[in-house]
Amino acid sequence: GNSVTQMEGPVTLSEEAFLTINCTYTATGYPSLFWYVQYPGEGLQLLLKATKADDKGSNKGFEATYRKETTSFHLEKGSVQVSDSAVYFCALNDYKLSFGAGTTVTVRA
Amino acid sequence: EAGVVQSPRYKIIEKKQPVAFWCNPISGHNTLYWYLQNLGQGPELLIRYENEEAVDDSQLPKDRFSAERLKGVDSTLKIQPAELGDSAVYLCASSLGAGVEDTQYFGPGTRLTVL
Repeated sequence: GNSVTQMEGPVTLSEEAFLTINCTYTATGYPSLFWYVQYPGEGLQLLLKATKADDKGSNKGFEATYRKETTSFHLEKGSVQVSDSAVYFCALNDYKLSFGAGTTVTVRA
Repeated sequence: EAGVVQSPRYKIIEKKQPVAFWCNPISGHNTLYWYLQNLGQGPELLIRYENEEAVDDSQLPKDRFSAERLKGVDSTLKIQPAELGDSAVYLCASSLGAGVEDTQYFGPGTRLTVL
């Protein structure tokens, strides 16, 4: 079946540091890939998505590229802010949305 | 545009009691989902509706859980009777369609505590 494996947290960074959260997947079909973010006390929000191989999703300074050859969709941001502190979920949709376990990111001023 | 609305936001009940959660999807979204999210984990699909039809309920524990989506708009998820292990966040989501490229939009969730 389909599955998503993402980097375990928690991850603690200083402001302006570079953030990478690794995500790899297993799928039998041609899924779309998503990153969702959950800020403290809030619901899941779409951060970015990519629907086919080599697509790059981007939003709010975050980027992720759909790499079929390595079955990966790593999330990156060049300079994080305190407001980026949240839980980040990688997910794939192959007619059923499957989530990773989430990575908690804390950014310190 | 209003997002996915869920109520209540929090619910505390005794075990063996019944409980119900309500969800109103984004206007025009034909596909509705209920997810279960345990602490420290990603959401897991319970049931998916396309209009009023439940097209994937394979993960719904049908001995105690039930759901309905009358008229293909809002939906109710029920647990009867609740068990201690049902304590979790119940999320509702909706999407315009059911394709792999369709984005699912999530509500704030209902946090259930079973004592």
